[in-house]
Amino acid sequence: DGGITQSPKYLFRKEGQNVTLSCEQNLNHDAMYWYRQDPGQGLRLIYYSQIVNDFQKGDIAEGYSVSREKKESFPLTVTSAQKNPTAFYLCASSILGQNSPLHFGNGTRLTVT
Amino acid sequence: AQSVSQHNHHVILSEAASLELGCNYSYGGTVNLFWYVQYPGQHLQLLLKYFSGDPLVKGIKGFEAEFIKSKFSFNLRKPSVQWSDTAEYFCAVIPRTGNQFYFGTGTSLTVIP
Repeated sequence: DGGITQSPKYLFRKEGQNVTLSCEQNLNHDAMYWYRQDPGQGLRLIYYSQIVNDFQKGDIAEGYSVSREKKESFPLTVTSAQKNPTAFYLCASSILGQNSPLHFGNGTRLTVT
Repeated sequence: AQSVSQHNHHVILSEAASLELGCNYSYGGTVNLFWYVQYPGQHLQLLLKYFSGDPLVKGIKGFEAEFIKSKFSFNLRKPSVQWSDTAEYFCAVIPRTGNQFYFGTGTSLTVIP
């Protein structure tokens, strides 16, 4: 079945450590996105990429980094510079174009202590 | 900056009651509109979408939404809710001239059997 796989489902890290969240899709979608979901704040865009080796900052990119070396993969690194990293992270993908809806993964819940 | 407002943060209904969730956006140009649903423990999935044409759109599971351009609104409705509709509902907008989705803060719906 085609879809988006995020791993792991739960992740725990100590403060000051960088951590990378995995996102893989086999939908052959060109565009991929990372969102952060916090209670009462909805989904906020961290980074997005519309083509391999290119990506753009979203509204809350500070403290995060991404790469897009392959069409299928869009890993997100939460760096130690992110002041409030504990959150639920969602990866999504879509066909290019505004008429195409987003397809979401199951998310990764990151807890930093 | 574009924004999407969902005024109802928590809604509790009894089964068979009618549902209407509000969604308003702030953007002067043409937009595409979406409603997503997140059932407990599941990934976000598309409920319905509006691009053009008939402003009353029908989605899955008996949901519908009406686009009122003059009010910048895209309210979600269902005539008779079921316990299985318990979920979080997100409204999303993407300007036709942009490539970024904007999400509302979400509405948590609890349906009591």
